[in-house]
Order: sequence, then C-alpha cells, then structure tokens
Amino acid sequence: KVMTQSPATLSVSPGETATLSCRASHSVGTNLAWYQQKPGQAPRLLIYGTSSRATGVPARFSGRGSGTDFTLTISSLQSEDFALYYCQQYHFWPRTFGQGTKVEI
Amino acid sequence: EVQLVESGGDLVQPGGSLRLSCAASGFTFTTSEMNWVRQAPGKGLEWVSYISGGGDVIYDADSVRGRFTISRDNAKKSLYLQMNRLRAEDTAVYYCARDAPTTVPSYFDSWGQGTLVTVSS
Repeated sequence: KVMTQSPATLSVSPGETATLSCRASHSVGTNLAWYQQKPGQAPRLLIYGTSSRATGVPARFSGRGSGTDFTLTISSLQSEDFALYYCQQYHFWPRTFGQGTKVEI
Repeated sequence: EVQLVESGGDLVQPGGSLRLSCAASGFTFTTSEMNWVRQAPGKGLEWVSYISGGGDVIYDADSVRGRFTISRDNAKKSLYLQMNRLRAEDTAVYYCARDAPTTVPSYFDSWGQGTLVTVSS
C-alpha cells in the first residue's frame, strides 16, 4: 500500500504552524504513525493511532485523519522541530512509509 | 530505558553475505516483536523484516525475501539479520526497531542507532 506525503519540503519560520499531509492508497483506518528524523539520527516515534502522542512528545504536535487522509500539525515551530517527518501505515503488511516531508527554516 | 544497539555493518562485495546483530536491553525481549528497517543513503525508510516474540512468525519485504533471514536468540536478548546474495541496492543504514508492546497492529516505538551496510566492489 502506497503512502504519499506532501509537500516534499515545507519552508516555515519559527513560531509558525506547519501542516504536513499523508495520503494512503487504501484505507488504513487509524493505523497511522508519524516519525521525526534529524540528520544522522534514528527516527523517533511522534504520533501513533493517528492522533496519540508518544511519550515525551510536546503538545504542539498533533495528528488527525482517518481512512486515507491524514495530517500532522506542528504549532508554534521551535528550532528543534526542523527535521524530516515520515508517516507510516501499520494496517497492512508490508508496513509502508511515505517518502517524507522536510520541514526547513 | 529501552536500548537497541545494532552492530555488524560493513563494506561487502556484491553477492556476499553479512550478519547484523541487535542487542536489546531495558525491556522484556522475549515477548517483544521486532523488526529490521533500512534507509538507503539520502532516501526514505523501508521496512525489511518482522519476527514475533517466539520467533514462529516471520514476515519479509518482497525486496529481500529469499535472501535475508531474520532470527532471534531470546536467551541472549538479541535480534539478527542474515543477509545473503547482497546487491548494491541493499546499501543502507539498517535499524533494529521494536513493535509497541500489547498493541495489534503495531508501530515502531523504539529504534536503535543503526548500522551501515555498504555493498560495493
């Protein structure tokens, strides 16, 4: 199942809101996760079950959606939020990731 | 604290073999479902293989089926990936990732730091 993220790159200023999109080729229910990856680091779980924040994830990160259309919103962007973000469906095997959205200053 | 530490990455020639290891600590490994996920240089994430806690259920990506074998040793709290008939397109950082416990279906809640496999002559 194909996951498509948009845009590929999102340019925002600190303090602004970033909205990232993820579309699934088939309905994945709410079995959708978001990961953050910084250069040279492993991915880090941000959101699971479409909208549940992982332990330690700030409240400025929020997820919503269901079926085939999902969004990750990052409110009041902080310097540490500039990174790559991947969505991933875990409804079907094989588990598949989107190609990523880079959030840059 | 969950810790996953991969090792075994190296430079290997096309057609060669390599075995990756992942040492786990800080959680009950025996009941944890585990995965390998890879990332080619400058590219996105690709799930590779899954193994259940008891090792009796295994799933592989089409791209590696028949060449890679995932396994585990619960007594040693270790996960392995035997990689045979390696190709240039297998060049990637390989991450060990844990499925979130008691969640079905599950996502990856913990990741190791990765180990680099380079396939080149």
